[in-house]
Amino acid sequence: DTGVSQDPRHKITKRGQNVTFRCDPISEHNRLYWYRQTLGQGPEFLTYFQNEAQLEKSRLLSDRFSAERPKGSFSTLEIQRTEQGDSAMYLCASSSHYGYTFGSGTRLTVV
Amino acid sequence: GQQVMQIPQYQHVQEGEDFTTYCNSSTTLSNIQWYKQRPGGHPVFLIQLVKSGEVKKQKRLTFQFGEAKKNSSLHITATQTTDVGTYFCAGPGVSGGSNYKLTFGKGTLLTVNP
Repeated sequence: DTGVSQDPRHKITKRGQNVTFRCDPISEHNRLYWYRQTLGQGPEFLTYFQNEAQLEKSRLLSDRFSAERPKGSFSTLEIQRTEQGDSAMYLCASSSHYGYTFGSGTRLTVV
Repeated sequence: GQQVMQIPQYQHVQEGEDFTTYCNSSTTLSNIQWYKQRPGGHPVFLIQLVKSGEVKKQKRLTFQFGEAKKNSSLHITATQTTDVGTYFCAGPGVSGGSNYKLTFGKGTLLTVNP
């Protein structure tokens, strides 16, 4: 499979719990991005990696969010102490030159 | 703040009619990209435009980049039911930071009545 894989596809969690999502990018792509999308909105930038280095993080991202990309391969996005406002689709994308390839996303529901 | 704006937000057409969506940036862009998201799906890259005034075609889809590189349009000729989805434009570096970071518009949702 040469696409971007995300796991899990769906996650329901109780408010206050921690959640972690995984993204496996296209292997030849050195750049990896995390975006968040809510209903009726475009994807909103969260953070971006070039190889293993996290080069940019949105100012809108609270300290409860953290992302890693060890060894420049897969990436994880962790949300600590989830809140109802965190409910959204979390999209991972990778790229090499131009144009993002998105994964199918992880839909998070915080109850 | 700096952003990418799209109009209209929604467009409903009869199959066979044409469709156009417009994208405007508050800043000059090095390039503009277009994505399509089917209902329940994820965004899929369609095209990138780089040059001022550039026009590119993909079958029934025509993409244009404005002379000032601040606006763009997507035109679909003779829509089909397979064109249903949300069309997003995205520009790099709009809100500052890396040119690899894309800022997306809110999209135009196209529905087609067969």
